[in-house]
Amino acid sequence: EVQLVESGGGLVQPGGSLRLSCVASGFTFSTYGMTWVRQAPGKGLEWVSTIPFSGGSGYYAESVKGRFTISRDNTKNSVYLQMNSLRAEDAAVYYCATDGSGWSRDHWGQGTLVTVSS
Amino acid sequence: QSALTQPPSASGSPGQSVTISCAGTSSDVGDYNTVSWYQQHPGKAPKLMIFEVTNRPSGVPDRFSGSKSGNTASLIVSGLQPEDEADYYCSSYAGNNILLFGGGTRLTVL
Repeated sequence: EVQLVESGGGLVQPGGSLRLSCVASGFTFSTYGMTWVRQAPGKGLEWVSTIPFSGGSGYYAESVKGRFTISRDNTKNSVYLQMNSLRAEDAAVYYCATDGSGWSRDHWGQGTLVTVSS
Repeated sequence: QSALTQPPSASGSPGQSVTISCAGTSSDVGDYNTVSWYQQHPGKAPKLMIFEVTNRPSGVPDRFSGSKSGNTASLIVSGLQPEDEADYYCSSYAGNNILLFGGGTRLTVL
């Protein structure tokens, strides 16, 4: 069974940093691209970033480009999201998801909540 | 990177059919067969219901189907069940390694 478990969320001040982690199990992690999607309270889903199965620089939404960095460690079955210069509008539940066929996201974690407030 | 456009709400009675639209442009929905649909119950993670416009993942009831015409995709839920009440989101590849989501539609089963 595919499992994705996010962690690292919490309360951070505007301008601060946070690093999210997502540990995967139940599938061959090194053969899947991985994605972070966020959802602000009471709002819709927003794609944040994707990293191919092989790693590399990743792809980013314009709203986070230059502030967030996605990375992965295939030896630890983990994907990360380093978030710097956080803003109030970055507050959301952050989900990690596996990349499926045709740019679908076929398995999702339960999410980790990021709150940005002074 | 504008979000895809979905109606904020939809409704139907048990047993009826309902269609949820997802309007994009010729640069996203109209240019790629990469529309996906997700179901999200309150407080839960999204669940993939349809991928590549018309395909259902294993375990998704065949009451759920998808289609596309031009720049607009649709999710059709036939034979509505009370458990279908949820938020539904579409997504599409938009080129340049960008994924777009729709704003979401709240489906109410009357």
